[in-house]
Amino acid sequence: NAGVTQTPKFQVLKTGQSMTLQCAQDMNHEYMSWYRQDPGMGLRLIHYSVGAGITDQGEVPNGYNVSRSTTEDFPLRLLSAAPSQTSVYFCASRGREIGEQYFGPGTRLTVT
Amino acid sequence: GNSVTQMEGPVTLSEEAFLTINCTYTATGYPSLFWYVQYPGEGLQLLLKATKADDKGSNKGFEATYRKETTSFHLEKGSVQVSDSAVYFCALSDENEGYQKVTFGTGTKLQVIP
Repeated sequence: NAGVTQTPKFQVLKTGQSMTLQCAQDMNHEYMSWYRQDPGMGLRLIHYSVGAGITDQGEVPNGYNVSRSTTEDFPLRLLSAAPSQTSVYFCASRGREIGEQYFGPGTRLTVT
Repeated sequence: GNSVTQMEGPVTLSEEAFLTINCTYTATGYPSLFWYVQYPGEGLQLLLKATKADDKGSNKGFEATYRKETTSFHLEKGSVQVSDSAVYFCALSDENEGYQKVTFGTGTKLQVIP
């Protein structure tokens, strides 16, 4: 049981490049979400999904796309990277317990 | 909307000192409350939770009581250890949003020195 896994751990992009951050969970959780963590800002919700085929926007969705074709996977796509997207990105999943989320180890992204 | 306010850090304590990290919240519905901990280089982990007023969550010597009258959920520990050094996040999840989203505070960094 690996929990929530994220790849890559570190990534450097140039402005305008695109990439996909991978997230997978093996706990059969319906709910998955993506957050970004910036100094002094806490965690801000980017997108979330309540099940395969269902996604919705969070607090800061601009510049990011998501899809959920399977229960296990929830990739986050940066369409055209900008320096403002330099951040640490966390994927999380939740089972039936209210609010109890399981977080991945994070991806540290730098956009130059 | 919902919000969580926690005390600014960093907080620096000597080993065996008493810890309090303040947290207050505003919510449109009846929230469940949480404390998460983030150790260096890792993701967040749930530390404790409380789902109704006057409930006390506890884990690893940490405690927090859900105070509806003061809309607070302060984190306490009687004797901190160096291994408690981490960032602590207060959070809530609201029935009005179907408990689908979790709103986090900005985090409080705790450093415990020997």
